[in-house]
Amino acid sequence: GQNIDQPTEMTATEGAIVQINCTYQTSGFNGLFWYQQHAGEAPTFLSYNVLDGLEEKGRFSSFLSRSKGYSYLLLKELQMKDSASYLCAVRAVTGGGNKLTFGTGTQLKVEL
Amino acid sequence: DTEVTQTPKHLVMGMTNKKSLKCEQHMGHRAMYWYKQKAKKPPELMFVYSYEKLSINESVPSRFSPECPNSSLLNLHLHALQPEDSALYLCASSFEDSSGNTIYFGEGSWLTVV
Repeated sequence: GQNIDQPTEMTATEGAIVQINCTYQTSGFNGLFWYQQHAGEAPTFLSYNVLDGLEEKGRFSSFLSRSKGYSYLLLKELQMKDSASYLCAVRAVTGGGNKLTFGTGTQLKVEL
Repeated sequence: DTEVTQTPKHLVMGMTNKKSLKCEQHMGHRAMYWYKQKAKKPPELMFVYSYEKLSINESVPSRFSPECPNSSLLNLHLHALQPEDSALYLCASSFEDSSGNTIYFGEGSWLTVV
């Protein structure tokens, strides 16, 4: 099975930088996704890492260390609209195919 | 274009009804997924289709019946559901069900079973 951990809640200030961590334990690792989900809406793709290192996309960056089972999502220049749940999801190879499993999500609140 | 379209957006059904949720994508993706999400919980995988064949069924009760009529369409047939099945049902797709392929989600269908 898979075990994915991320903090339940975080609070940050508008304009600041926040780092959301995710640790995982899985066999057959085949990539890690970060999604943003606003209340009442579907998850929106933010980033994907399958190799170690940093992926940068505008204000969002994601880092992966496969040997440590660790990833983080870095959000810069925070805006009020960034208040949302951030979901770490791990894809792993199973008997039938690839399975994407989500962590419980980190609820980020951006304050003035 | 990374659009996955789901219909209906909202559905209310009785426990004896038969209804279907529909999902469509025109990105040439060959892997399609159904997820279920309860309030304040992460999405949970239900089914995976790869090249129109069911590859993963996460021990979902038979009152949920998936169907992939062609590479662009994915249906979820609902029959004799229970109130606890009320949730957001998310369809997703990716080019293939393998490493390196981003998975995109639709807007979801909100299902209420009364």
